[in-house]
Parts: sequence; structure tokens; C-alpha cells
Amino acid sequence: DTGVSQDPRHKITKRGQNVTFRCDPISEHNRLYWYRQTLGQGPEFLTYFQNEAQLEKSRLLSDRFSAERPKGSFSTLEIQRTEQGDSAMYLCASSSPRSYNEQFFGPGTRLTVL
Amino acid sequence: AQKITQTQPGMFVQEKEAVTLDCTYDTSDQSYGLFWYKQPSSGEMIFLIYQGSYDEQNATEGRYSLNFQKARKSANLVISASQLGDSAMYFCAMREGFGGSQGNLIFGKGTKLSVKP
Repeated sequence: DTGVSQDPRHKITKRGQNVTFRCDPISEHNRLYWYRQTLGQGPEFLTYFQNEAQLEKSRLLSDRFSAERPKGSFSTLEIQRTEQGDSAMYLCASSSPRSYNEQFFGPGTRLTVL
Repeated sequence: AQKITQTQPGMFVQEKEAVTLDCTYDTSDQSYGLFWYKQPSSGEMIFLIYQGSYDEQNATEGRYSLNFQKARKSANLVISASQLGDSAMYFCAMREGFGGSQGNLIFGKGTKLSVKP
């Protein structure tokens, strides 16, 4: 049973470019969550999916951010027209219907916007 | 207003001693869950322990226990017999809503624990 995986692990981009991150949850986990963590802070919720349905979105998720989970398996998070303030660690987590209490986190994607 | 407050930015503990990390929370929901996660320098978030608002007994998981005081809205983490590998950031988190109806976790700012040999 492999854990949550995220790709890429690091991304450096120039301001104004678009970036896309991928998250593969633990198989059979039907809930998938995206969080953002800036230096010295705890993770902040962005959005979550149950199967392919996006059930909740934070106000932090501006119109430059879009997340998808088309087949209820992996998910992508796209940031358009990146800004320096988008520099952060983007964390993905998944949970099983048998226990929504435990969210298993991936290693994260560290984004640096120059 | 902050939903989760961790007032200790950093803590030191001697190896083999116990340490308590503080967490207070704010919610108007009757049903909620409280969590502690560990984040080592590698960056991964590791689930440690969970306490439901209706659980009458304090949760325990090995060397971790959660001191749940509902009236005070506190959920302190107690680590017994500290080990060098316990050095990490520790985050308290809350999920509101019954049975996971609200999926997201709300995290505090964390406490950096350093275990001294």
C-alpha cells in the first residue's frame, strides 16, 4: 500500500507563468484534500473532493486556482498567472470512507515563484 | 478570531522526560474533532492522535495522549518519555461538523519541539 504521492516535489517558475501539480491519493481513498503551507504557518485548506465532486472550496482559492479530479482518482491543482505570494508548499491528503478522521498527507510540492 | 491557538512557538524537553504542548480551540459546533500532527524537517505531515468532541475518555496512542478539557476548549498533547526523533513541528487541528461532514482541517501555527540529549 503506497502512500500519497505528489509530483513534482519542487517547482521554480517565473511570475506570470502557469503551473500544474499532481496528487495521487492512496488507492480506494475517496476523499482528496489540497492545503497550502507558507513558512512558519500551519497548513491552510484550499479545497477537497469526494470522488470526482469538488465539495468545498476555501476563499483562499482565487479564480487563478483550479483543481480537478476527473475520474475520482488523481487530482491536479493548477495556478494560472503565478504571483510571488503563491510561493508555498502545496500539500495533498486523502482519507478513506472507513475513517475520515485520519487524513494521510503526501510529501508536498514546494513552489517558488521568482 | 483564530480557531486554533498554539501559544508555544518553541519548546525544549530533555530526552526521556514528558512534555505537554498546548492547544486551545474555538467553535460553536457541538460536534467536532481534534487532531495532532507531527511535521519533521522532511516536511511530511504525520497523523498522531484524534479526539472526538463526544468522546468521554482522553485519546491515547502509544506515547501520545490528548488531554481533552471540553469546558476550557483545550486539547493539549502529552508526549511521554521523549525521544530525539520527536524533535519536529507539532500542529493541532480541528474539523467541525458531525461525522466528517465538513472535510477540511483547520490548523494552528504549530509548536517546534526540540528534544535535548
